[in-house]
Amino acid sequence: GQSLEQPSEVTAVEGAIVQINCTYQTSGFYGLSWYQQHDGGAPTFLSYNGLDGLEETGRFSSFLSRSDSYGYLLLQELQMKDSASYFCAVYGDSGYALNFGKGTSLLVTP
Amino acid sequence: SQTIHQWPATLVQPVGSPLSLECTVEGTSNPNLYWYRQAAGRGLQLLFYSVGIGQISSEVPQNLSASRPQDRQFILSSKKLLLSDSGFYLCAWSSGLAGLSYEQYFGPGTRLTVT
Repeated sequence: GQSLEQPSEVTAVEGAIVQINCTYQTSGFYGLSWYQQHDGGAPTFLSYNGLDGLEETGRFSSFLSRSDSYGYLLLQELQMKDSASYFCAVYGDSGYALNFGKGTSLLVTP
Repeated sequence: SQTIHQWPATLVQPVGSPLSLECTVEGTSNPNLYWYRQAAGRGLQLLFYSVGIGQISSEVPQNLSASRPQDRQFILSSKKLLLSDSGFYLCAWSSGLAGLSYEQYFGPGTRLTVT
């Protein structure tokens, strides 16, 4: 089976940096994805790591270590609009569909 | 550009009533299609996915079913709703051209309340 673990809640101050960790267990690994979801909205794709290392997209970066079955999402220069839920996801055993973690609720405070 | 539509946006149904939620995708061909459910304050649970017309894979046994009558149409159904079926239902698509597609695009969702 598969499992993904991420913290349920994180709070950070506007302008700060926050890291959201994700550890996973899966029989076949095809990469780690990250999605953002604002309250009442649909999830939107943020980043994907297929190989070890850091991927940077603007204020957001994502890191993967396949040997440690671990990744993280790094958000820099936090803004109030970054308050949302963040999900890590890996492909299921079928290789066609993503399985999502339970999500981390990020609250950015002034 | 590609767009994904879901309807209705909200739905209140009594226990034991039937359900039909529809999802359509525009601007792409042969997409992979997915149905997810999200309970209040919880994560995304994959319900069904489809890699082609008439091909449905179920991830969780339950009283829901899915069908794909056309290439870009995905329908979620139930003959008799349970209280536990309440939640936020999300349809998503990904490109079916390159096998694994790590980016999924989600529709606006249907908020279902079973009373």
